[in-house]
Amino acid sequence: QSVLTQPPSASGTPGQRVTISCSGSSSNIGSTYVYWYQQLPGTAPKLLIYDNDQRPSGVPDRFSASKSGTSASLAISGLRSEDEADYYCEAWDDSLFVMLFGGGTKLTVL
Amino acid sequence: QLQLVESGGGVVQPGRSLRLSCVASGFTFSSYGMHWVRQAPGKGLEWVASISYDGYNKYYAASAKGRFVISRDYSKNTVFVQMNSLRPEDTAVYYCARDFRYNVSPRGGMDVWGQGTPVTVSS
Repeated sequence: QSVLTQPPSASGTPGQRVTISCSGSSSNIGSTYVYWYQQLPGTAPKLLIYDNDQRPSGVPDRFSASKSGTSASLAISGLRSEDEADYYCEAWDDSLFVMLFGGGTKLTVL
Repeated sequence: QLQLVESGGGVVQPGRSLRLSCVASGFTFSSYGMHWVRQAPGKGLEWVASISYDGYNKYYAASAKGRFVISRDYSKNTVFVQMNSLRPEDTAVYYCARDFRYNVSPRGGMDVWGQGTPVTVSS
């Protein structure tokens, strides 16, 4: 069971906007940065968002993220078929000195 | 270009040991913390261990503490994880990843990943 809680699945149709939540606690999301990763089938994860809401170069601006208190969320607008993947949130826990991943959310584009 | 290449995976019996390697290229290895992350078949990502850029700070997941040891060799631009007393539940693809920030102790965020090396623990 992951300390960071994500919904196991999400879905949307092409062009729609979907959001994926990530819930933690005061010692992780509440006090450290949140990161988001995209994992396409059969590939290694890819950093999608860093420092709560920043996009690495090359990541489309259709991907955005935010953080409030002990929760964070990833939003994907203008959904495309190639966005079908698993998405993970990640944060450092400042009291346990461990890195935490959410359980992952499988996004299906209908 | 930035690259991480893992090796050392394979099939091993429960209770045995295995050492995974990850060779880095395309960046200043000594400036970045490094991580090992694993993914069991059909499951999510699980952080295993991290080592700071200077090698002084090492962090372990509860599942790895006492059994796994992370280390790095600057002369070979390589990070290792020595895995002892392996269990069937250690079966996974093991990824090596670079910390997002340089010259600081790891605090989350991995921007370069290897392709992974599979480990199967089975009798």
